[in-house]
Amino acid sequence: GEQVEQRPPHLSVREGDSAVITCTYTDPNSYYFFWYKQEPGASLQLLMKVFSSTEINEGQGFTVLLNKKDKRLSLNLTAAHPGDSAAYFCAVSAGFATGGNNKLTFGQGTVLSVIP
Amino acid sequence: DPKIIQKPKYLVAVTGSEKILICEQYLGHNAMYWYRQSAKKPLEFMFSYSYQKLMDNQTASSRFQPQSSKKNHLDLQITALKPDDSATYFCASSPGTGIGQLYFGEGSKLTVL
Repeated sequence: GEQVEQRPPHLSVREGDSAVITCTYTDPNSYYFFWYKQEPGASLQLLMKVFSSTEINEGQGFTVLLNKKDKRLSLNLTAAHPGDSAAYFCAVSAGFATGGNNKLTFGQGTVLSVIP
Repeated sequence: DPKIIQKPKYLVAVTGSEKILICEQYLGHNAMYWYRQSAKKPLEFMFSYSYQKLMDNQTASSRFQPQSSKKNHLDLQITALKPDDSATYFCASSPGTGIGQLYFGEGSKLTVL
C-alpha cells in the first residue's frame, strides 16, 4: 500500500524565515494531495489541496509544490510568524483508484516552532 | 460552532473495559470516517461509511466496531480495551466518497490504563 514519508519531524525557525516541509510517497497512482495544519489540542484544518494537474499552489504565506516525477510534495512557508507554530501533515489519496473511499495516507507530521 | 461534534473530548478507561466514541456531523455530508492518531504512528485510516454503509475497513481487530444509527452519526465502539488503544480518535466527513476534502472533528483522546 501507499507509504508517505514526511521530513523533518521537528523544525524550528525564526520569525520571518522560511520553513520547508517535504513528503515523498510511493504509489504512482496517487492523485490527490493535501496539507493539513493541527494546532495543539485542536482538529486538523485543511491548508491546501493539490490535484495532479497542478504543480504549484500558493496560499496565504505559503507555497505548495508537487513533483509527480519524483513523487514529492512540499510545503514552503515563505515568511513564518509565531501563529504558524503547529503540526503540519501531508496526506495522499489515490482517489477513485482506491474505490473512491477518500482513504488518506498521512505523513508522520512536522512540528513547526516559530521563534519570535 | 463546530460542525463535527465528538464526545467525549477526553476519556480514561481501564484495560478490558468497553467505550463508545460519539460523532455527529452537521455539514449535510454523506460520507463519514474514523481515523486514529497515536504517539507512535501517523494518523491512520480506520473506517469509511457512505449512506450508513461500510465502505472500507482497515482495522485489523474486530474489537473496533463502527455504528451508524443515522446518516449524520458514526459512533465507534471499542471493546476489550488495551493500553495500545490509547490514541486520539478523529471523526471526519466529506460530501461523498469521491475526491474531496475531509472535514475533521476535534478528536476524542482515549487513555487506557
